[in-house]
Amino acid sequence: DAGVIQSPRHEVTEMGQEVTLRCKPISGHDYLFWYRQTMMRGLELLIYFNNNVPIDDSGMPEDRFSAKMPNASFSTLKIQPSEPRDSAVYFCASSRDVYNEQFFGPGTRLTVL
Amino acid sequence: DQQVKQNSPSLSVQEGRISILNCDYTNSMFDYFLWYKKYPAEGPTFLISISSIKDKNEDGRFTVFLNKSAKHLSLHIVPSQPGDSAVYFCAALKKGGSEKLVFGKGTKLTVNP
Repeated sequence: DAGVIQSPRHEVTEMGQEVTLRCKPISGHDYLFWYRQTMMRGLELLIYFNNNVPIDDSGMPEDRFSAKMPNASFSTLKIQPSEPRDSAVYFCASSRDVYNEQFFGPGTRLTVL
Repeated sequence: DQQVKQNSPSLSVQEGRISILNCDYTNSMFDYFLWYKKYPAEGPTFLISISSIKDKNEDGRFTVFLNKSAKHLSLHIVPSQPGDSAVYFCAALKKGGSEKLVFGKGTKLTVNP
């Protein structure tokens, strides 16, 4: 298996623009997680899905953030409109169940100018 | 409020010596703990875990110790190798709870040849 795939690896955009981050989890994994890593807050969970259904989105910072999982092999995290404080590395992770190890993608480094 | 704390942002050790990375937690409901390792430009990868019913778990050069009364866990790496240089994240989970992994901010380990 290729592991968790994220695209793009790097994204530079201007404030106010829409940003869409993409994730393909490992096949057979029922859980998908979106994390954000910043120097100030470390690695924080934004939202997670179980069998394509959002379970907990309490970590989503604002209404500008939204996430979808239309099928078992694809998820998106959208920021609209983007702001400079959204600049961070965004990771997607998947796991078979919540008590097994999570496999992380390589991350998307987002820079909002 | 940080529920999982790694108070040392960095640690430097000599090759062949022991590396000890520490982690404290405040939520006594946590009952499953994990360590992840992260290299630059990559996602975190699972290293080792421990359940609260144990006080020690060993996997090769890596051993995790759990002191529930002190709400403290540590990761020992013996002997340390230059390839161990990475950021190490401690994470905690409450089984049967919210299913969310809570991460510390990480400790950057540098192993000098």
